[in-house]
Amino acid sequence: GENVEQHPSTLSVQEGDSAVIKCTYSDSASNYFPWYKQELGKRPQLIIDIRSNVGEKKDQRIAVTLNKTAKHFSLHITETQPEDSAVYFCAASISSNYQLIWGAGTKLIIKP
Amino acid sequence: NAGVTQTPKFQVLKTGQSMTLQCAQDMNHEYMSWYRQDPGMGLRLIHYSVGAGITDQGEVPNGYNVSRSTTEDFPLRLLSAAPSQTSVYFCASSYGVARGGDTQYFGPGTRLTVL
Repeated sequence: GENVEQHPSTLSVQEGDSAVIKCTYSDSASNYFPWYKQELGKRPQLIIDIRSNVGEKKDQRIAVTLNKTAKHFSLHITETQPEDSAVYFCAASISSNYQLIWGAGTKLIIKP
Repeated sequence: NAGVTQTPKFQVLKTGQSMTLQCAQDMNHEYMSWYRQDPGMGLRLIHYSVGAGITDQGEVPNGYNVSRSTTEDFPLRLLSAAPSQTSVYFCASSYGVARGGDTQYFGPGTRLTVL
């Protein structure tokens, strides 16, 4: 079946540095790639998404890049702050139905 | 708008008991879904609905039933609870049915423990 692999599972960075999380997907017809942030004990919330007709999208300190040929997409967070500490999930749409397939998550730790 | 609401927030069941997790949204969203989230794992889709009267199975549907009689409500029924169903359950909704390509809004979750 379709799957999404997400790396790394844990990422520790110094406050102010950049963080990069990568996901690869298997369905070459996937066309929607969201990223969600989940703080401890809270619900997942969308932080940024990208569609297959766009290569890069930015929103302040957050950016997502998509390489359709290689079937991978990445989340970039610059100038990390303590409030960026959370679990981040990537997902990819399945072309044959209405589902999203989710990565296993990356725990981002911002060290002061 | 209240967004997506779920009840109860916490529930403890004994093996073999049945119960219904409630989910409602007031955003007139067509698409609704149920996920379970186990420790250290991502979200796994249980069932989803693209509109009133239409439901379909996700990745892990066994042991669960759903119905969608109205646009607003999408309850999840556990038929005979098992310890393997101990998890956090999230309901989510989105506006469009454009093949999953739309922002999903999550409810606050229900933490279920089956003894």
